[in-house]
Amino acid sequence: GENVEQHPSTLSVQEGDSAVIKCTYSDSASNYFPWYKQELGKGPQLIIDIRSNVGEKKDQRIAVTLNKTAKHFSLHITETQPEDSAVYFCAASIEGDMRFGAGTRLTVKP
Amino acid sequence: GAGVSQTPSNKVTEKGKYVELRCDPISGHTALYWYRQSLGQGPEFLIYFQGTGAADDSGLPNDRFFAVRPEGSVSTLKIQRTERGDSAVYLCASSLIGGVGETQYFGPGTRLLVL
Repeated sequence: GENVEQHPSTLSVQEGDSAVIKCTYSDSASNYFPWYKQELGKGPQLIIDIRSNVGEKKDQRIAVTLNKTAKHFSLHITETQPEDSAVYFCAASIEGDMRFGAGTRLTVKP
Repeated sequence: GAGVSQTPSNKVTEKGKYVELRCDPISGHTALYWYRQSLGQGPEFLIYFQGTGAADDSGLPNDRFFAVRPEGSVSTLKIQRTERGDSAVYLCASSLIGGVGETQYFGPGTRLLVL
């Protein structure tokens, strides 16, 4: 089955700096890659996603890149703000069966 | 309702007891998913419903776990003979149609503690 690995497990940045989180997946048949943000005591919330026919997608301060050949994808957050602090999960999906990475705890220091 | 709701928000039970966890998906969403999230981990897929039927139950860890969605809306996850290792947050998500590329909207989860 699909296996998703996510790095780093924790990331601390200064407000205004950029943050990058990387994921790799094992099953080349995966074709949908969402990113979720989870705040304490809440369920994951979708922040951006990318499909396998696209190499990059951007939404304001958030961007995601996908390299199908290498089977890895990354989340980029620019101009980080304290409210970006949360746990971020990547996922890879085949036919609705979504596999998540272990998460990255991002701390943005004011 | 505006989003996916789950009840109860917290459940404490004793080892060996039976528990039921409820999920109310977004109105009109035909696909419903259950996940389990252990502390410090990502959500782990359990089961996926398309309408009333389980389209994929490959994530259920053993036969103590069972889920139903009799009318294609509300779903109940049932755990028999609970074990301490079942302690986790159980998340429910729904999507409009289901399948690859569909955005899944998550509920806040039910925190289950088995003593």
